[in-house]
Amino acid sequence: DAGVTQSPTHLIKTRGQQVTLRCSPKSGHDTVSWYQQALGQGPQFIFQYYEEEERQRGNFPDRFSGHQFPNYSSELNVNALLLGDSALYLCASSPLANQETQYFGPGTRLLVL
Amino acid sequence: DQQVKQNSPSLSVQEGRISILNCDYTNSMFDYFLWYKKYPAEGPTFLISISSIKDKNEDGRFTVFLNKSAKHLSLHIVPSQPGDSAVYFCAASGASGTYKYIFGTGTRLKVLA
Repeated sequence: DAGVTQSPTHLIKTRGQQVTLRCSPKSGHDTVSWYQQALGQGPQFIFQYYEEEERQRGNFPDRFSGHQFPNYSSELNVNALLLGDSALYLCASSPLANQETQYFGPGTRLLVL
Repeated sequence: DQQVKQNSPSLSVQEGRISILNCDYTNSMFDYFLWYKKYPAEGPTFLISISSIKDKNEDGRFTVFLNKSAKHLSLHIVPSQPGDSAVYFCAASGASGTYKYIFGTGTRLKVLA
């Protein structure tokens, strides 16, 4: 049983560009959350998707947007990249029956130059 | 404002001894707490959780204690093993269907052989 998978593993972009990160949840999970982890910090909640809709959102600007597909996979889009967007982006999934425990993927490391 | 704090950035423990990792929180609405372990280049791995209706939860070598009046939780690892060396994050989530996690900044545990 595959766990949460994310692609790509690493990415380098320049300021002002746009990026799309992808996540496939663990089998049987239908809820996907995205987190940003800056160096030396804990993960920070960006938003959560359930039934293809954004259900909750953290304190991130509108440059951060997402999407969930009918197969529960999800994308995170970041527009107009800033140097400060450089971070590890983590996707976490959870099943409807137990929303409390989230399982994380390995993350995508984004570097903005 | 850091709602979840891990004030010890690092901890070294001898193999076989007890490791105690601490976490403090400020928001009394948090009602579910989790500990995650993170190895380099991997996503956080769920370890153990505790609901606010309990004061202790045990799973093998791992025990989490919750002191609601002090807004403090701790993770005990007994006995500590070299493979436990990792960064440990505590996380909290709130009531009323709020499933986003608020993470601490992590404690790096090193178990010495």
